[in-house]
Amino acid sequence: AQSVTQLGSHVSVSEGALVLLRCNYSSSVPPYLFWYVQYPNQGLQLLLKYTSAATLVKGINGFEAEFKKSETSFHLTKPSAHMSDAAEYFCAVSDRAGRRALTFGSGTRLQVQP
Amino acid sequence: ETGVTQSPTHLIKTRGQQVTLRCSSQSGHNTVSWYQQALGQGPQFIFQYYREEENGRGNFPPRFSGLQFPNYSSELNVNALELDDSALYLCASSLALDEQFFGPGTRLTVL
Repeated sequence: AQSVTQLGSHVSVSEGALVLLRCNYSSSVPPYLFWYVQYPNQGLQLLLKYTSAATLVKGINGFEAEFKKSETSFHLTKPSAHMSDAAEYFCAVSDRAGRRALTFGSGTRLQVQP
Repeated sequence: ETGVTQSPTHLIKTRGQQVTLRCSSQSGHNTVSWYQQALGQGPQFIFQYYREEENGRGNFPPRFSGLQFPNYSSELNVNALELDDSALYLCASSLALDEQFFGPGTRLTVL
């Protein structure tokens, strides 16, 4: 069984500040890990994914995440927040075989203050 | 290239009714997955179809059923609607086991 825990349902940062959204996973098999962003009244857009290549993964819009097996973490960061980054962010895990169904965390809402 | 589309955008039903939601997968994709996203929660996996066969199911009762057609579009059917079925239903398409691309969702309200 797999699960994802996202610490902090709401995160507020100032424009230009560092963004750090936390994700810890549990998986009995080597995982694939994903971060998705959801804007109001829209579907999910993939930001980045870890699929066992480099542990530091770069995604779209300046986001990146680092896979740390020893900490079972996959935290999302961005050096400088922009107003347009305000959205809901979801961390997800899937197994490497089979149907690759995604198991999502409960989400973190990012607010960016001017 | 057309992305994943879903219809309708919104609908309102009453308890006990039946509903059908539709999804057109991205061109070239042969796998469709359906997810339920309740308000304030992350999406939950309902089931997946690969080449017209169900290829896995999450923890949802049998009144949630689906179909995939030869053109790889898909339907999600929910019978005997309950108030807790109110949610955003997301469809995602992929080529076999590759990255899933999500549609904008259908917002279902059950009164």
